[in-house]
Amino acid sequence: EPEVTQTPSHQVTQMGQEVILRCVPISNHLYFYWYRQILGQKVEFLVSFYNNEISEKSEIFDDQFSVERPDGSNFTLKIRSTKLEDSAMYFCASSEDHSTDTQYFGPGTRLTVL
Amino acid sequence: RKEVEQDPGPFNVPEGATVAFNCTYSNSASQSFFWYRQDCRKEPKLLMSVYSSGNEDGRFTAQLNRASQYISLLIRDSKLSDSATYLCVVRDTGNQFYFGTGTSLTVIP
Repeated sequence: EPEVTQTPSHQVTQMGQEVILRCVPISNHLYFYWYRQILGQKVEFLVSFYNNEISEKSEIFDDQFSVERPDGSNFTLKIRSTKLEDSAMYFCASSEDHSTDTQYFGPGTRLTVL
Repeated sequence: RKEVEQDPGPFNVPEGATVAFNCTYSNSASQSFFWYRQDCRKEPKLLMSVYSSGNEDGRFTAQLNRASQYISLLIRDSKLSDSATYLCVVRDTGNQFYFGTGTSLTVIP
């Protein structure tokens, strides 16, 4: 069964450093998403991406964040200058198309900012 | 303002019991509705989409009441493997998805 993969599984970084979280969505999917979940809190939408551009973003997704699909398979989330409060689990998800809505989530990257 | 609200629980029920979870959403124009389950420190996994006519998948039944902006999930004949956190998810008119805080379920032998 096809699945969304994410690397690394755990990233530790110093405050102020840049991090790039990587995701490989399911191959025939067209919509891609990033979410975060701070420990003990709810899953929060960050951004959705379609046709090589951002289609929606939340208030959390400020100028410190960016997304990119650098090639035909990877989908990345960059945090330019990490803050302590960026520590969270970051989930990537993909869906086949807008009408089905069914999103498949990757296993997540746990980001720890020291 | 919370877009999606759920009773956090926890719900502790014996095996074989029937348990119901509720969820309310604030945006009357919301388009799509889902129940996901999340095991501890794992990713959310889709349990079922929720349609206006209601839908059933085995022991699971989901209902949507658009007038009351209310979604429910009923689990019959609970199994130990049903222990998880159940997330109510709503998509608004765009392509932004809102998650509830989740309802914790523990099924006890």
